[in-house]
Amino acid sequence: NAGVTQTPKFRVLKTGQSMTLLCAQDMNHEYMYWYRQDPGMGLRLIHYSVGEGTTAKGEVPDGYNVSRLKKQNFLLGLESAAPSQTSVYFCASSRDRVSNQPQHFGDGTRLSIL
Amino acid sequence: KQEVTQIPAALSVPEGENLVLNCSFTDSAIYNLQWFRQDPGKGLTSLLLIQSSQREQTSGRLNASLDKSSGRSTLYIAASQPGDSATYLCAGWAFGNEKLTFGTGTRLTIIP
Repeated sequence: NAGVTQTPKFRVLKTGQSMTLLCAQDMNHEYMYWYRQDPGMGLRLIHYSVGEGTTAKGEVPDGYNVSRLKKQNFLLGLESAAPSQTSVYFCASSRDRVSNQPQHFGDGTRLSIL
Repeated sequence: KQEVTQIPAALSVPEGENLVLNCSFTDSAIYNLQWFRQDPGKGLTSLLLIQSSQREQTSGRLNASLDKSSGRSTLYIAASQPGDSATYLCAGWAFGNEKLTFGTGTRLTIIP
């Protein structure tokens, strides 16, 4: 059982380039989340989804877009990367609203923007 | 706005000792609180989830408590082992939010 899988694990981009981070879960979870983790700031929610075909903004959505075309996949896109987006990105999923169920996390994508 | 604070940022203790990690939150409308473990280069692993109707949860050598009135949660680790070395994060969910608010974590080192 793979749980939550993120690809790629590492990436270096130049300012202005675009890329897509892929998150896949095999637990049939309805809810999926994208976070970024920065030193001294904790994890912050970027976007989330409460089911296939839905997306919603989190705490820090600017500069990112997401899509949930399939229940098992949640994609995070950077259209024009900026150095401020250098961070570690985590995807998470949960069976129900996190108020009732713990979130399961992937191992992260380490992204550097030069 | 919910704020979650974890002090100290780092803690070192000898193997075998019992220890307590602290988590403070500002919103008394908190619905639940989770404790996570994060190993270097890895994602977060959920350890314990405490609903607001509960006072504590236990799993093996771990015990987490929640006191909404004082805005505090603690994670108690009994008989610490070197394998317990990791960063421990707490996160709270409050009514009206669709998100967890995370603390910045306590980096725990168990000295053999």
